[in-house]
Amino acid sequence: AQSVTQLDSQVPVFEEAPVELRCNYSSSVSVYLFWYVQYPNQGLQLLLKYLSGSTLVESINGFEAEFNKSQTSFHLRKPSVHISDTAEYFCAVSWDAGGTSYGKLTFGQGTILTVHP
Amino acid sequence: ETGVTQTPRHLVMGMTNKKSLKCEQHLGHNAMYWYKQSAKKPLELMFVYNFKEQTENNSVPSRFSPECPNSSHLFLHLHTLQPEDSALYLCASSQGGANYGYTFGSGTRLTVV
Repeated sequence: AQSVTQLDSQVPVFEEAPVELRCNYSSSVSVYLFWYVQYPNQGLQLLLKYLSGSTLVESINGFEAEFNKSQTSFHLRKPSVHISDTAEYFCAVSWDAGGTSYGKLTFGQGTILTVHP
Repeated sequence: ETGVTQTPRHLVMGMTNKKSLKCEQHLGHNAMYWYKQSAKKPLELMFVYNFKEQTENNSVPSRFSPECPNSSHLFLHLHTLQPEDSALYLCASSQGGANYGYTFGSGTRLTVV
């Protein structure tokens, strides 16, 4: 069975500092990987995704994530965070089981990123 | 506008009330989902619908009753809820393939008093 583990439940960081949110997955088949962001009292928004090709994927607001197959990881990074990046971040995985697969996502437990001034 | 609209945004209901949450998507997606998000708990998948048919029910109590009349609309009917059912209820939709991911609504913040 596929699973996702986000290693840190909370990450406090100062503004303009770099940050890494860690995500590891377990799967016996090829996977697709996603990062979602959730601001307070809102739904989840897709931040970036890895489907195939280049293992480094980027978002429009400066986040990037690198797919590492050997370490089964998909860590999210940003070189310099802003106050507005304060949110909860979810890593998710789906897999192509073929046939009746409907692309079900399995989510990690979430990491709350708090950026302090 | 996210493409998935949930109403109402906030709902306060008594334990004897009956209410419904509504979710609507105009993205042409074939799959729709209900999630429950409680404070300090992981996202809990409640129900999955594919092409209007329920394909997953994760042992959700019968006081939650989903309805999917067509691929664009999803309801969650609520009756005789408990205070511990207070949470953010999220609806999502997807194209159905493994590489598409989900589009989420903004959620309904439910408080049971």
